[in-house]
Amino acid sequence: DVKVTQSSRYLVKRTGEKVFLECVQDMDHENMFWYRQDPGLGLRLIYFSYDVKMKEKGDIPEGYSVSREKKERFSLILESASTNQTSMYLCASKASVRDSGDTIYFGEGSWLTVV
Amino acid sequence: DAKTTQPPSMDCAEGRAANLPCNHSTISGNEYVYWYRQIHSQGPQYIIHGLKNNETNEMASLIITEDRKSSTLILPHATLRDTAVYYCIVRVALQSGSARQLTFGSGTQLTVLP
Repeated sequence: DVKVTQSSRYLVKRTGEKVFLECVQDMDHENMFWYRQDPGLGLRLIYFSYDVKMKEKGDIPEGYSVSREKKERFSLILESASTNQTSMYLCASKASVRDSGDTIYFGEGSWLTVV
Repeated sequence: DAKTTQPPSMDCAEGRAANLPCNHSTISGNEYVYWYRQIHSQGPQYIIHGLKNNETNEMASLIITEDRKSSTLILPHATLRDTAVYYCIVRVALQSGSARQLTFGSGTQLTVLP
């Protein structure tokens, strides 16, 4: 089974702190994503990466950056956390299409509270 | 991606089959039907997907109508742990390695009752 592992399940950080959220997948997937999920707003894409060292902005990249130094690892960085970044963060990965669609696999989520 | 319509909520007795419908009348020929679910406070979980034919795996069965305008996800023997929001999504399969986002609608809240 595909496994997407997020390093931290629950975090509490102070305003202005730098926050790292780590994500690792074990299926050699090319594509990795970071989303945030908020009540009433659904899933919103922050950044995605389709290859090592490649990244593209999603819908809400402001206040975030990402790093993909190795194929299996995709990190989300909050340079200076703010209270409006309190949310559940979801990492996901998927393979490039072969022959039957492009299934996306999600991690368990990281609940970040910024105080 | 085609729009989908799902009932907002359903109940099912434990041990019985849960049948979750989804309408996708504007689906195009190259769009797949995907089902995910999200248990409270957890990340979405992939369940099953299909293009034209009915599909079955260890979790569920997917029945797609011949005209592809609707589908039904079947959980054959629902348990309390199947209580979750179920999302039906239709989308084109990508032909290259480029990434795209995934949009979840409102889904169906399935409650399995003891």
